Amino acid sequence: DAKTTQPTSMDCAEGRAANLPCNHSTISGNEYVYWYRQIHSQGPQYIIHGLKNNETNEMASLIITEDRKSSTLILPHATLRDTAVYYCIVMGWGSARQLTFGSGTQLTVLP
Amino acid sequence: GAGVSQSPRYKVAKRGQDVALRCDPISGHVSLFWYQQALGQGPEFLTYFQNEAQLDKSGLPSDRFFAERPEGSVSTLKIQRTQQEDSAVYLCASSPGRNSLHEQYFGPGTRLTVT
Repeated sequence: DAKTTQPTSMDCAEGRAANLPCNHSTISGNEYVYWYRQIHSQGPQYIIHGLKNNETNEMASLIITEDRKSSTLILPHATLRDTAVYYCIVMGWGSARQLTFGSGTQLTVLP
Repeated sequence: GAGVSQSPRYKVAKRGQDVALRCDPISGHVSLFWYQQALGQGPEFLTYFQNEAQLDKSGLPSDRFFAERPEGSVSTLKIQRTQQEDSAVYLCASSPGRNSLHEQYFGPGTRLTVT
């Protein structure tokens, strides 16, 4: 599975959009981009995933560049409860397999 | 509905003791994963079950670690002769299907402290 690079930490004002970048320049054609987050003292939580089209659900939007070498997770109206470590994971389609978590981005939403 | 549950939530063991950590996945979920998370790090894979079959145990750090899922539902991770480096949060995740597109649902974890 392709390696990902994320900033170590980011701050965002409450109510504003949080834009979390991820670089995955070695991604291959059958690999998806997944985002999970981990709130302090909880297990990770799935947010969204995509292949090449932009995706949106009730939690977030995922924007994938046309060359698929990078993506951005957007939380449109961040709240204090969105403070968490956000992990960008690239994984190929196939048999179920483990998630490979990197260091993630610590997002702190400020009041 | 009920999510993934793990017990105990906290466990303190003296070095050399054996421990057993339990995971109750979401009912009907085929895939079950165990991860280990050291302080300040992301979770790292330990082992994977599809129903009762352990298909991948490549992440188990030593032969002191053993996992089972005998009836394809509840799973137990056992650590024999615990060492201080085993101190970590142990996370269990389940997934409804057999392929990688299904999201993984995580439990709250068991925090193991070895003294």
